[in-house]
Amino acid sequence: DVVMTQTPVSLSVAIGQPASISCKSSQSLVGTSGKTYLNWLLQRPGQSPKRLIYLVSKLDSGIPDRFSGSGSETDFTLKISRVEADDLGVYYCLQGTHFPHTFGAGTKLELK
Amino acid sequence: EVQLVESGGGLVKPGASLKLSCVASGFTFSDYWMSWVRQTPGKTMEWIGDIKYDGSYTNYAPSLKNRFTISRDNAKSTLYLQMSNVRSEDTATYYCTRGGIPDYWGQGVMVTVSS
Repeated sequence: DVVMTQTPVSLSVAIGQPASISCKSSQSLVGTSGKTYLNWLLQRPGQSPKRLIYLVSKLDSGIPDRFSGSGSETDFTLKISRVEADDLGVYYCLQGTHFPHTFGAGTKLELK
Repeated sequence: EVQLVESGGGLVKPGASLKLSCVASGFTFSDYWMSWVRQTPGKTMEWIGDIKYDGSYTNYAPSLKNRFTISRDNAKSTLYLQMSNVRSEDTATYYCTRGGIPDYWGQGVMVTVSS
């Protein structure tokens, strides 16, 4: 299985400050189609996960452009340009290129 | 609005069987692959498997393939997860998700395996 390694495990950020989360995969996530199936999800406290970003950098509908995704091959990053209170929760990366699909262990974003 | 509503969870004894259901609305169910994902009490996420839009093909996580079966009824816009010979490590919240690579998630249903 593809191992997804997320860092840091937790992140304490003040409102208005930037945040960055890394996700590294144990093998390339470039598929046979040439697409890279790397998603970012946010699970707010007490809620189910919500997809924020798909195909490395495409924002889902309604997701503010404070969020951005980047990366290639095995190295990916989620950035929040200015953290807001609504951003707290656990962020997961998910790879959908290889079976079985696998998740990172999560990064907990807390407000400082 | 996409809605996915799971049901069928609860407390079950080791070795028992359980069938989860997920009723979908707000989109054309028969146009989409669907999948199941579970989250352990420790918050680890595990992809269980998916099923093609017409039900003709499934993929499973190898570790679960022999005990879990995914099926669907497009006439009822319903997705199923049949779990057999359950173990304590199957204790988790089970999510119904749209897409082989999930985009929308249901609210989840808890399954606790304990004697």
